[in-house]
Amino acid sequence: DAGVIQSPRHEVTEMGQEVTLRCKPISGHDYLFWYRQTMMRGLELLIYFNNNVPIDDSGMPEDRFSAKMPNASFSTLKIQPSEPRDSAVYFCASSLTRDGPKNIQYFGAGTRLSVL
Amino acid sequence: KNEVEQSPQNLTAQEGEFITINCSYSVGISALHWLQQHPGGGIVSLFMLSSGKKKHGRLIATINIQEKHSSLHITASHPRDSAVYICAVMSNTDKLIFGTGTRLQVFP
Repeated sequence: DAGVIQSPRHEVTEMGQEVTLRCKPISGHDYLFWYRQTMMRGLELLIYFNNNVPIDDSGMPEDRFSAKMPNASFSTLKIQPSEPRDSAVYFCASSLTRDGPKNIQYFGAGTRLSVL
Repeated sequence: KNEVEQSPQNLTAQEGEFITINCSYSVGISALHWLQQHPGGGIVSLFMLSSGKKKHGRLIATINIQEKHSSLHITASHPRDSAVYICAVMSNTDKLIFGTGTRLQVFP
């Protein structure tokens, strides 16, 4: 398996534009996580899905952020409209189970977002 | 006060040294993760612990639930171990809480 695949790797956009980040989890993994990492706040969990259903979105900063998982092999994180303070690295991770013995999470390479 | 505290924040070592990174937390947890973030940004999950000790190669992770403390040890450190090591706990309320990380540099 190629691991968790995120695209794009880098995104530069202007304030106010819509940004869509994409993630393909490892086949067979039933949990998918979206994280944001900034210098100021470190790593933060934004939302996670189990079997394509959002379970906890309490980490989503505000209504400008939305995430979907239309099927087991694809998820998107959308920011509309984007703001400079959204600039960060966004990671996607997947795992087999969240709390069980096989809950090691596999991370994608991240998307570095810069909002000008 | 952060719910997950790591120490030290920065650590330098000579190749071959034994290294310890500490993680203390103030909430009830069901599990604790140690992550490694390489200089290029990639994140690798090293361990998930709920009790006791785990070992993988030169890495050892321990947890003391009563003391709310975990340690990550690296034996015979090597320059390729240079990375940021992040502790994260899964709280009993199902929140994943991250420490701010420990930046390790190992010099040859």
